[in-house]
Amino acid sequence: EVLLVQSGGGLVQPGGSLRLSCADSGFILSSNYMAWVRQAPGKGLEWVSVIYSGGTTFYADSVRGRITISRDTSTNTVYLQLSSLRVEDTALYYCATVGLGQYFGRFDSWGQGTLVTVSS
Amino acid sequence: ELVLTQSPGTLSLSPGERATLSCWASQSVSSNYFAWYQQRPGQAPRLLIYGASSRATGIPDRFSGSGSGTDFTLTISRLEPEDFAVYYCQQYDNSRWTFGQGTKVEIK
Repeated sequence: EVLLVQSGGGLVQPGGSLRLSCADSGFILSSNYMAWVRQAPGKGLEWVSVIYSGGTTFYADSVRGRITISRDTSTNTVYLQLSSLRVEDTALYYCATVGLGQYFGRFDSWGQGTLVTVSS
Repeated sequence: ELVLTQSPGTLSLSPGERATLSCWASQSVSSNYFAWYQQRPGQAPRLLIYGASSRATGIPDRFSGSGSGTDFTLTISRLEPEDFAVYYCQQYDNSRWTFGQGTKVEIK
């Protein structure tokens, strides 16, 4: 069973940085694709970034250049480094597994979410 | 840029009624890469339907998905109290993922 446990959120000033973590305790992370999805307060879901098992990464246009996704296969952890943060980056950030195969791209399992608040 | 538009924004129904939620894509999408999610208040989203019409593990058969091309539908045949939530459609195309803005199903 997949269990994704997130950590690392908090309050940060505009222009600041933060690193989010997503640790998996149920399967071998290195064989799976992982994504981050965020949700601003009272708003809908927005895809942020993905990392494939081979290390290939993709980013939404809204965050490209300011956010970096990475993974540590030795600890089964995926990270999201947030930099040059803006007020509009305030959101609940979820990590999720990406379904593979014929029905590629679905988000099968989700972490509990971690809140990032950007405010002065 | 592909856009998913959900309709209606809010659906007010009573338990036991049928719910029909729509999602339109601004350009044709692959049914294989189309999904629906449920999000209850204070919870993470949960995968309901993938491949436009396949139910995810543990999802009751009152949930069904259909559609192709640019028009997709999520149907809940008989609303249970736990089904009152927000529902999102989502698609994948060319290393990009897109969500609709959501439909809230509320108790009438």
